[in-house]
Amino acid sequence: AQSVTQPDIHITVSEGASLELRCNYSYGATPYLFWYVQSPGQGLQLLLKYFSGDTLVQGIKGFEAEFKRSQSSFNLRKPSVHWSDAAEYFCAVVGYGNKLVFGAGTILRVKS
Amino acid sequence: SQTIHQWPATLVQPVGSPLSLECTVEGTSNPNLYWYRQAAGRGLQLLFYSVGIGQISSEVPQNLSASRPQDRQFILSSKKLLLSDSGFYLCAWRRTGSSGNTIYFGEGSWLTVV
Repeated sequence: AQSVTQPDIHITVSEGASLELRCNYSYGATPYLFWYVQSPGQGLQLLLKYFSGDTLVQGIKGFEAEFKRSQSSFNLRKPSVHWSDAAEYFCAVVGYGNKLVFGAGTILRVKS
Repeated sequence: SQTIHQWPATLVQPVGSPLSLECTVEGTSNPNLYWYRQAAGRGLQLLFYSVGIGQISSEVPQNLSASRPQDRQFILSSKKLLLSDSGFYLCAWRRTGSSGNTIYFGEGSWLTVV
């Protein structure tokens, strides 16, 4: 069965610093991959997605992610973090049966 | 445009009482529908998904059930709540046709079982 691993439960970065959130997936075929962001007490908002083509995808709010098949990874990046980026981030994969499976999430804290 | 509504937004229920969370989608037809639960400090767990009226797939054996009485309505229920049912419940939908279609989430429902 497909699965998603986000190895970092919490990450703290300084405002203006770069950010990389890690995501590894397990799926036998070409995956459809997503990154969502969740502010406290809110639903999930899609940041970006990948399902074919260019392996570097651009999303909203200045985020990007790179799909690396050889590493089974889909890491999320942002060159300069803003305080408003503090939230929880979820990586997800659509696999067998069209089910969307999420990682456990990474909580991002931004310090000024 | 499509919208998804989920209610109630917050709910406090005693142990052993019933539960009904409702989700409706507007502006699309025959969507795939999902119920997720997010427990405090944990990721999202897929509970149920539905590809059509009356078609429900359960992912995790539990105290909950789901029903889809109409094309764009998805209901999460329980006959007797447990303390462990507390959490944040999210309804979601997606267009059929491609696994790459984006899944859109409702605002969520906070359930506290006391």
